[in-house]
Amino acid sequence: RKEVEQDPGPFNVPEGATVAFNCTYSNSASQSFFWYRQDCRKEPKLLMSVYSSGNEDGRFTAQLNRASQYISLLIRDSKLSDSATYLCVVNQAGTALIFGKGTTLSVSS
Amino acid sequence: GAGVSQTPSNKVTEKGKYVELRCDPISGHTALYWYRQSLGQGPEFLIYFQGTGAADDSGLPNDRFFAVRPEGSVSTLKIQRTERGDSAVYLCASSLTALAVYNEQFFGPGTRLTVL
Repeated sequence: RKEVEQDPGPFNVPEGATVAFNCTYSNSASQSFFWYRQDCRKEPKLLMSVYSSGNEDGRFTAQLNRASQYISLLIRDSKLSDSATYLCVVNQAGTALIFGKGTTLSVSS
Repeated sequence: GAGVSQTPSNKVTEKGKYVELRCDPISGHTALYWYRQSLGQGPEFLIYFQGTGAADDSGLPNDRFFAVRPEGSVSTLKIQRTERGDSAVYLCASSLTALAVYNEQFFGPGTRLTVL
C-alpha cells in the first residue's frame, strides 16, 4: 500500500465548476500536510498547507481528518489557469516529503 | 530573490556513464533535499542534508547513487554506471530547516536525465 494515495483523474470540468480532490495517507505519525501544484514540465510549488482546523485561501479550501487519515482540497469557481496536477503531500518533522502520484485537473471554457 | 537553481537542465548520457547533477539552494537554507520524479508519478525522496551531513539517505536506490554537500550550500548528486531506468527528472529542494513541522520546501526546476 502506498503511503499517500490519490485518485489520478483526470478531472475534466468547465470553468466555474467546483471540484474536490481527496487523498488518504497510511502513516498515522504524519505531522504536517500540504497540497502542492505542479504544472506540466515544471517543478512542484506549494499551494497550501493543511491544518487540523481546516483552512481557506480564496477559492481553495483544504481539510484534514486525522482520525480517518484523509485530506481534501476543494476548488470553487474553477479557472482555466487552475489546470495542473495537484499533489497531496505528508511529512514528519525532520523527514522528507512523501508525495502522492497527483491528481490531474483540466478546466475548459 | 533567487530561487533554487539546478544544472544542467537537461542531460543525455549513455548507459554505463557517470553523471553529476548540481543544486544551488536558496541562500540561508540549511536543509537540502533530492527527489526523483518519473513520468506519471509524484516525486520520490532520495536523500536530504541538514547542513553538510546527510541526515537521511534511505531513499537512494542503490550504491551507484551518492550525494555530497561539502560546505553546507551547493550539493552534487552523483550517479555511477548509469542505467536506462535512471532516466527521470531529478528535483532539488531547500528549506530553512528540516526540523520544523510545517517547513515549506522550495523546488528547483529539475534536471531531466535521459540514459540511452
